[in-house]
Amino acid sequence: NAGVTQTPKFQVLKTGQSMTLQCAQDMNHEYMSWYRQDPGMGLRLIHYSVGAGITDQGEVPNGYNVSRSTTEDFPLRLLSAAPSQTSVYFCASRRGAWGDQPQHFGDGTRLSIL
Amino acid sequence: GESVGLHLPTLSVQEGDNSIINCAYSNSASDYFIWYKQESGKGPQFIIDIRSNMDKRQGQRVTVLLNKTVKHLSLQIAATQPGDSAVYFCAENRQMDSSYKLIFGSGTRLLVRP
Repeated sequence: NAGVTQTPKFQVLKTGQSMTLQCAQDMNHEYMSWYRQDPGMGLRLIHYSVGAGITDQGEVPNGYNVSRSTTEDFPLRLLSAAPSQTSVYFCASRRGAWGDQPQHFGDGTRLSIL
Repeated sequence: GESVGLHLPTLSVQEGDNSIINCAYSNSASDYFIWYKQESGKGPQFIIDIRSNMDKRQGQRVTVLLNKTVKHLSLQIAATQPGDSAVYFCAENRQMDSSYKLIFGSGTRLLVRP
């Protein structure tokens, strides 16, 4: 299994541009999530999904959209990029939608907004 | 507000010594905790977890201790090696709305001196 795969690894955007960060997992996990990590801080939850067709907001959802049309994929969309969205973005998944299981993370997308 | 936090931002240890990384949490209702290791340029990697019905759990060279009375979590690494140099995060699996969400602390950097 490849685990959680994120693309691209690096991206530079201009303010106002849009783009989609891709995330795919091959573990048949129900739960998927997106986090952002800023310098000196832990990870903050943006959006999550407990299964195909179901998404919900996390701690910092503004400026981001998600969809979950398949179990495997959970793309994150920036509609109009802002410098405040410069960050490292991590996608994660876990087997069940509930409770006590660890999440598995991808290696991140490093995004810079100029 | 309630949060998961760490006592020390940086810990420097001699190779071969034992390391102890501490974490405080404030949500007494949380029942599952996870330690992650993050190396430079990588996503968080699961190390060990513990449920609230346990006080101690051991893995390979790692031990997690949970003290629910004082809401304290620690990660002990035996015979610390250069490869253990990384940032370590504790995370609290907290029920919020209809799902469980990971709440991360800000991390502790472990430096291993040769």
